[in-house]
Amino acid sequence: AQKVTQAQTEISVVEKEDVTLDCVYETRDTTYYLFWYKQPPSGELVFLIRRNSFDEQNEISGRYSWNFQKSTSSFNFTITASQVVDSAVYFCALSGTGGFKTIFGAGTRLFVKA
Amino acid sequence: SQTIHQWPATLVQPVGSPLSLECTVEGTSNPNLYWYRQAAGRGLQLLFYSVGIGQISSEVPQNLSASRPQDRQFILSSKKLLLSDSGFYLCAWSVLPGNTEAFFGQGTRLTVV
Repeated sequence: AQKVTQAQTEISVVEKEDVTLDCVYETRDTTYYLFWYKQPPSGELVFLIRRNSFDEQNEISGRYSWNFQKSTSSFNFTITASQVVDSAVYFCALSGTGGFKTIFGAGTRLFVKA
Repeated sequence: SQTIHQWPATLVQPVGSPLSLECTVEGTSNPNLYWYRQAAGRGLQLLFYSVGIGQISSEVPQNLSASRPQDRQFILSSKKLLLSDSGFYLCAWSVLPGNTEAFFGQGTRLTVV
């Protein structure tokens, strides 16, 4: 069975601190896809990144970076120099091949204080 | 560009009343459509998905149903709401199923009283 675990329920940081959101997944598929979404207070989920299981290169996009490690089944997300606008719930998600079902983690609520 | 509209934003309904939530997508053809429910402090649970008009797949047994009367319209319904149907409902679409990113509507906060 597929599973996504985001062990951090809530994280609170002060602006300009770096913060890492953890994501651990379980799957038996050899080909799968991992995602991160941001849910701001307005409610809609905003897509941040997709990574397939064959691409373990780390990704950096501005202040955001992602560390994918198949050896530990983790896909962690780091925000560098956090800002108040980063306050949101962040979801990690997993999708296997041949199906429509994307499994979401429970989410991590990030508070960034000024 | 593609946009997704979902309404209403909030809804308070009595137990036993019917429900109809609507979602429409603009700017794309033959999207894969999804209804998710988000319970407080939990992740998203996939309720229904559709790959085409009239084609609905249900992921979990429940008091809800879905329909897709037009290519870019997806409706979530119930004949009689239960208290346990309260939650945050999100509609989403994707180009391909499962392994591509999904684009979400702004959600409907449903409270059954």
